Amino acid sequence: SAVISQKPSRDICQRGTSLTIQCQVDSQVTMMFWYRQQPGQSLTLIATANQGSEATYESGFVIDKFPISRPNLTFSTLTVSNMSPEDSSIYLCSVGWTGNTIYFGEGSWLTVV
Amino acid sequence: DQQVKQNSPSLSVQEGRISILNCDYTNSMFDYFLWYKKYPAEGPTFLISISSIKDKNEDGRFTVFLNKSAKHLSLHIVPSQPGDSAVYFCAASGGQNFVFGPGTRLSVLP
Repeated sequence: SAVISQKPSRDICQRGTSLTIQCQVDSQVTMMFWYRQQPGQSLTLIATANQGSEATYESGFVIDKFPISRPNLTFSTLTVSNMSPEDSSIYLCSVGWTGNTIYFGEGSWLTVV
Repeated sequence: DQQVKQNSPSLSVQEGRISILNCDYTNSMFDYFLWYKKYPAEGPTFLISISSIKDKNEDGRFTVFLNKSAKHLSLHIVPSQPGDSAVYFCAASGGQNFVFGPGTRLSVLP
């Protein structure tokens, strides 16, 4: 597996603001995903971050709310835009190589007040 | 519609005994299954996986059993240790799509 670093690890944000979360991997990976875990809930896929092209979003998630960049095979960002308290969640970057297994970063804990 | 279900939100087991965590899925296109462990304030950690062509995979204290006809898998932890206390997520994949269950909180009592 690889070392997957996320920044920030934790933040408290004001309603209506936006926050960008960074995910850095110490080796090149073919797949990068962004997940969300709301309080008491399971892990929900937001989108697949595609290198050099637009991300592929899951049902219920849109680019205007969660813009994603992936400029290369080791780095991606997720922005949570115009935040509301409902966006308070853990946001998780995950990566994979073979398509069989994915690994997670330590997560970014967001609280919107 | 939940494609991956973990019907027990929590489970308590005595240290040294066996922990059995269960998972059911509905989509017959899933061909790979995984278990993750998550401690509070950390990201999920990959534990063990199994391909649909197998019915058992073992790694140390962890064994995963797959019953394809019943669309059911289980994770056995023997012997259970207090450090195993965490939330366990079952996941299923078909291609690059990974679907997670709601998790089971395991408490191993000393």
